[in-house]
Amino acid sequence: QVQLVQSGAEVKKPGASVKVSCKASGYRFSGYYINWVRQAPGQGLEWMGWINPNSGDTNFVQKFKGRVTMARDTSINTAYMELSRLRSDDTAVYYCARDKVSGSPFYGMDVWGQGTTVTVSS
Amino acid sequence: DIEMTQSPSSLSASVGDEVTITCRTSQNIRDFLNWYQQKPGKAPELLIYSASSLQSGVPSRFRGSGSGTHFTLTINSLEPEDFVTYYCQQSYSSPRTFGQGTKVEI
Repeated sequence: QVQLVQSGAEVKKPGASVKVSCKASGYRFSGYYINWVRQAPGQGLEWMGWINPNSGDTNFVQKFKGRVTMARDTSINTAYMELSRLRSDDTAVYYCARDKVSGSPFYGMDVWGQGTTVTVSS
Repeated sequence: DIEMTQSPSSLSASVGDEVTITCRTSQNIRDFLNWYQQKPGKAPELLIYSASSLQSGVPSRFRGSGSGTHFTLTINSLEPEDFVTYYCQQSYSSPRTFGQGTKVEI
């Protein structure tokens, strides 16, 4: 079945970096954008950006520019999100999610990973 | 960026009630509005896309409507499993902003 499986929980110190992976299965990985969404404890959802697995093109929210890197390895159907210079307010659950329609961002995200908890604490 | 205003932030209802959640956007987004349901400790799930299209497998008691800047999610005849949190999200332009969420409580 179509699914996204993310890497496990991480605990990091302030100033460190974290890299979260998202492995896709059950569909053509290169055909669907992968989004990254995060949720701080007790808070709402925050869209961070997307990567086009086919081209490697990325687009992300201005507030993360300079700190976030999104990449993919098509040989193993895996997308990655790396966040650097971590702060305590980066503590959150990070989700990857697939666009519903191949090549189109307009129709929502229909397949989600299980989430990766990232805790930033000294 | 397109700003999302979702209301109410929480509401109380009973099993069998009908409830409506509203989402307003700061710009005309045509019908590029999606609704998600999130259960505690779980990833969100897509309920409605393109303002009014029901995602496969979602019960017909969920209905989305609206276009432009004003959208609604209506749940009729609430079931016990519906007492969770709902989010709207615009997919018209980047960044694909979410509403603040609505928690439906018993």
